[in-house]
Amino acid sequence: ETGVTQTPRHLVMGMTNKKSLKCEQHLGHNAMYWYKQSAKKPLELMFVYSLEERVENNSVPSRFSPECPNSSHLFLHLHTLQPEDSALYLCASSVIQGAGEQYFGPGTRLTVT
Amino acid sequence: AQSVTQPDIHITVSEGASLELRCNYSYGATPYLFWYVQSPGQGLQLLLKYFSGDTLVQGIKGFEAEFKRSQSSFNLRKPSVHWSDAAEYFCAVGADNNNDMRFGAGTRLTVKP
Repeated sequence: ETGVTQTPRHLVMGMTNKKSLKCEQHLGHNAMYWYKQSAKKPLELMFVYSLEERVENNSVPSRFSPECPNSSHLFLHLHTLQPEDSALYLCASSVIQGAGEQYFGPGTRLTVT
Repeated sequence: AQSVTQPDIHITVSEGASLELRCNYSYGATPYLFWYVQSPGQGLQLLLKYFSGDTLVQGIKGFEAEFKRSQSSFNLRKPSVHWSDAAEYFCAVGADNNNDMRFGAGTRLTVKP
């Protein structure tokens, strides 16, 4: 595997379910990001991790819970989601946190029913 | 904080025609500028970037962009569009004093045969 991978690619869950999204980067990067992409809205930064420590949380509801066990893996734990949380969730990584370019995974298409 | 605007939501061009996608940014110092492309169901792929130096930057797939400080712009160009270029294009701006890369709302490119 190369680059940034995300699993699953598609996920349908009910509002009472608990699920997790997984991201893995094979680039040796030290920073990882979660973004939410909704139709007709700009990309929204959700969480930033640098060297496995969370450095930014952009007022994301607590029903989204990130986890970064090491610099190569990032998870987004989901519970009691709302239909408006349906979106494409993108993971990205960069060499270091900051202004350098980010490399994106293919995303997980989440549908909340 | 920095911000970015893509004035065109949707552009249609004929195959073989030239292309210019507009991007305007707002930032007090020299920004870091990026163009990404997103095909349906995929993540974002970096086309090119500007950090400093030559204001005309070359990217992948035959794209180029020019940084114009006086106009706060970073427009993307391609001399001859191919049908495979049909996708969503995002301009992004970063700054060296924060972790937040801001994305424009995107421009959807349709290529007519």
